[in-house]
Amino acid sequence: EVQLLESGGGLVQPGGSLRLSCATSGFIFSAYAMSWVRQAPGKGLEWVSAISDADGSTYYADSVKGRFTISRDNSKNTLYLQMNSLRVDDTAVYYCAKAPHFYDRFVYWGQGTLVTVSS
Amino acid sequence: EIVLTQSPGTLSLSPGERATLSCRASQSVSSSYLAWYQQKPGQAPRLLIYGTSSRATGIPDRFSGSGSGTDFTLTISRLEPEDFAVYFCQQYGSSPQTFGQGTKVEIK
Repeated sequence: EVQLLESGGGLVQPGGSLRLSCATSGFIFSAYAMSWVRQAPGKGLEWVSAISDADGSTYYADSVKGRFTISRDNSKNTLYLQMNSLRVDDTAVYYCAKAPHFYDRFVYWGQGTLVTVSS
Repeated sequence: EIVLTQSPGTLSLSPGERATLSCRASQSVSSSYLAWYQQKPGQAPRLLIYGTSSRATGIPDRFSGSGSGTDFTLTISRLEPEDFAVYFCQQYGSSPQTFGQGTKVEIK
């Protein structure tokens, strides 16, 4: 059974940093691209970032480019999102998500972790 | 970036009724790479439909998808109590992949 479990969310001041983790199980982690998708309170879904399986290429939404860094540790079956220079509008539930192929529908989602950016 | 506009924002219906949800794209969605998700309060989204009209594993056949180009539709033939939720469309054919703002299906 595929499982995705996010952690690391919390309250942080504007300009601060936070690192999210997504521990995975039930599939060969190294063989799949992975993504982060976020959802601001009461709002829609926004794709944030993705990392490929093969060469670890990374991709970002314009809204987070230069501030967020996605990475993966295949030995730990874990996905990360390092978030720096956080802004109030980064407040959201952050989900890690798995698709069958890179740039595909998201079949599996974690339960999400809430990031609140506020002074 | 392809902008997806969902309508209506809220659909008020009774159990047993038919629900028709629209998703309109600002540009043609390549190869019908269009998906639909259901989300209930406090839960992650759940994939319902991909490739415009293919049902995901375990999704009942009262859910169906159709459309092409810039106009797509999710139809729920007969609403069950568990179908009252928010529905999002997603296009994954062009970078960046994008989502619609959602349609809430509420009990009338």
